[in-house]
Amino acid sequence: QSVLTQPPSVSGAPGQRVTISCTGSSSNIGAGYDVHWYQQLPGTAPKLLIYGNSNRPSGVPDRFSGSKSGTSASLAITGLQAEDEADYYCQSYDSSLSGHNYVFGTGTKVTVL
Amino acid sequence: EVQLVESGGGLVKPGGSLRLSCAASGFTFSSYSMNWVRQAPGKGLEWVSSISSSSSYIYYADSVKGRFTISRDNAKNSLYLQMNSLRAEDTAVYYCARVIAARPDYFDYWGQGTLVTVSS
Repeated sequence: QSVLTQPPSVSGAPGQRVTISCTGSSSNIGAGYDVHWYQQLPGTAPKLLIYGNSNRPSGVPDRFSGSKSGTSASLAITGLQAEDEADYYCQSYDSSLSGHNYVFGTGTKVTVL
Repeated sequence: EVQLVESGGGLVKPGGSLRLSCAASGFTFSSYSMNWVRQAPGKGLEWVSSISSSSSYIYYADSVKGRFTISRDNAKNSLYLQMNSLRAEDTAVYYCARVIAARPDYFDYWGQGTLVTVSS
């Protein structure tokens, strides 16, 4: 199972703000590794949403924001829109596992009510 | 425009082999590390393997170590994943992704994926 824990689902009405947590430990997020976020729309490949905890690639709307503190990170979506309905995954690195270990979060499904 | 196009997926029996390919275009392929990431049906993302730009550094997840081999051909702008001794639990959509060096690395472009089904 993943070492990064996310809530299975979050929901909100259009226009609302939702947040998704990504909880790790001292061997991953708490060890100083950055957190990246990906959005996966239904039936499509993941897309980079946030890199380096809080940076948005070109083309990603500014209603998406990220932060990191201690052993956790968060993704916030403000002004929720219907097209934001997707699965979201955090990603980091874990130094406690053998070898080279990129790790993904368990994933969160965002539902727009 | 960066494009990654996977191919080679299909239905294979347990214990069988399959070779996936990823054709890259729109960027200088030889300058980037590349990854394979998989997603079992209805499940989350799992990193599978990484290869550096010149193939000097290669890494595997424990779940595939000794069974899968990643390789690349920079002259052909192509990434490969040779999968041997396949198991039912290897059933997944396999994505290739371009790596951006950071701490840790992240994956800025992904292909559309190719489905591998291991079943008798």
